[in-house]
Amino acid sequence: GIQVEQSPPDLILQEGANSTLRCNFSDSVNNLQWFHQNPWGQLINLFYIPSGTKQNGRLSATTVATERYSLLYISSSQTTDSGVYFCAAMNRDDKIIFGKGTRLHILP
Amino acid sequence: DAGITQSPRHKVTETGTPVTLRCHQTENHRYMYWYRQDPGHGLRLIHYSYGVKDTDKGEVSDGYSVSRSKTEDFLLTLESATSSQTSVYFCAISESRGTQYFGPGTRLLVL
Repeated sequence: GIQVEQSPPDLILQEGANSTLRCNFSDSVNNLQWFHQNPWGQLINLFYIPSGTKQNGRLSATTVATERYSLLYISSSQTTDSGVYFCAAMNRDDKIIFGKGTRLHILP
Repeated sequence: DAGITQSPRHKVTETGTPVTLRCHQTENHRYMYWYRQDPGHGLRLIHYSYGVKDTDKGEVSDGYSVSRSKTEDFLLTLESATSSQTSVYFCAISESRGTQYFGPGTRLLVL
């Protein structure tokens, strides 16, 4: 089945820094989503992005489906950005596979 | 926020007992999903539903069954709970095969 790999696994940054999180997938996908899990465990959908680029405030995402990767950009990081970021890919059988996540810690 | 609730939010049970978790939505979304989250594994799909009485298996379906008799409710049953099923269980919904919205999760401890 499809493999979804995220990098880096952990990231520690100072408040105000920018970061890029990467998601590689091993096969063609029907869709690609990015989620943020906050320190209290709540999962929030950030982007539904099977291809192209989207922006929402300080966050943006780009998926290059032909090269099988997606990037999540966080600019001017704030402590509230801390948590785990997951990407999830839906394969051609409509099964959803999550990556293992990137744990982001923003220091004040 | 999407209207998704899960019950119970916390449960402690003993090995061998049946357990049912409930996911309830007020959004009238067609798709509903059950995931489990474990350290080192991220989230893994257990079962999903694409309509009333229409369900399919996910990545880790062994030991679990589901039922959906109404659009708004999706039940996950552990037929005979084992310690390996200790986990955090999340329900999610989506209108199509697109953006998913997650419930608050249920922490299950099997002793």
